[in-house]
Amino acid sequence: DIVVTQSPDSLTVSLGERATINCKSSQSVLFSSNNKNYLSWYQQKPGQPPKLLIYWASTRQSGVPDRFSGSGTGTDFTLTISGLQPEDVAVYYCQQDYNTPYTFGQGTKLEIK
Amino acid sequence: QVQLQESGPGLVKPSETLSLTCTVSGGSVSSGNYYWTWIRQPPGKGLEWIGYIYNSGSTKYNPSLKSRVTISVDTSRNHFSLKLSSVTAADTALYYCARDREGLLNDWGQGTLVTVSS
Repeated sequence: DIVVTQSPDSLTVSLGERATINCKSSQSVLFSSNNKNYLSWYQQKPGQPPKLLIYWASTRQSGVPDRFSGSGTGTDFTLTISGLQPEDVAVYYCQQDYNTPYTFGQGTKLEIK
Repeated sequence: QVQLQESGPGLVKPSETLSLTCTVSGGSVSSGNYYWTWIRQPPGKGLEWIGYIYNSGSTKYNPSLKSRVTISVDTSRNHFSLKLSSVTAADTALYYCARDREGLLNDWGQGTLVTVSS
């Protein structure tokens, strides 16, 4: 199985500031035939299912605010939230869908300072 | 807009079989290139992919659960199901069904909590 590890486990950021969450996979999730990284980011608010934010490492899902951005390739990825808003308080998960079993990071809890 | 809704017993006894159903509305389980998926989340913990069934009926399971899991689809009722046998307290979790297209889990049910306890 591909192990996915996030850092940090929790993060406290001031409103309007930038939050950065890192994700590392135990093997590359870059599919060479199409040059796509099979790494997604999800946001989960209390009492709700996860919501897809970013796929292919850097493509924003329709309707997701542009303050959310993803970057990285191979085994190292980053989710950046610029200009933090109160509604961004959530747990964020990265997930590899390069091969099954699909695996998730342990989650990063984002709070407002 | 497709909607998914999990249903099933909220309490299962140890060693018994957990059975859940995901009813799909606004879409068909037999059309499109979708993988109908189950994911679980133990209370206060992270997400675990259980497996999926493709609309052709082919399945893929997490090896950690493979010997105990069965996912099936009923096209006449437009739902798919999860069975997990020989449950223990470690199987207590919020169980989600979801629709996967090319690995992207864009549509989720609200989840149903299953507690394993005597």
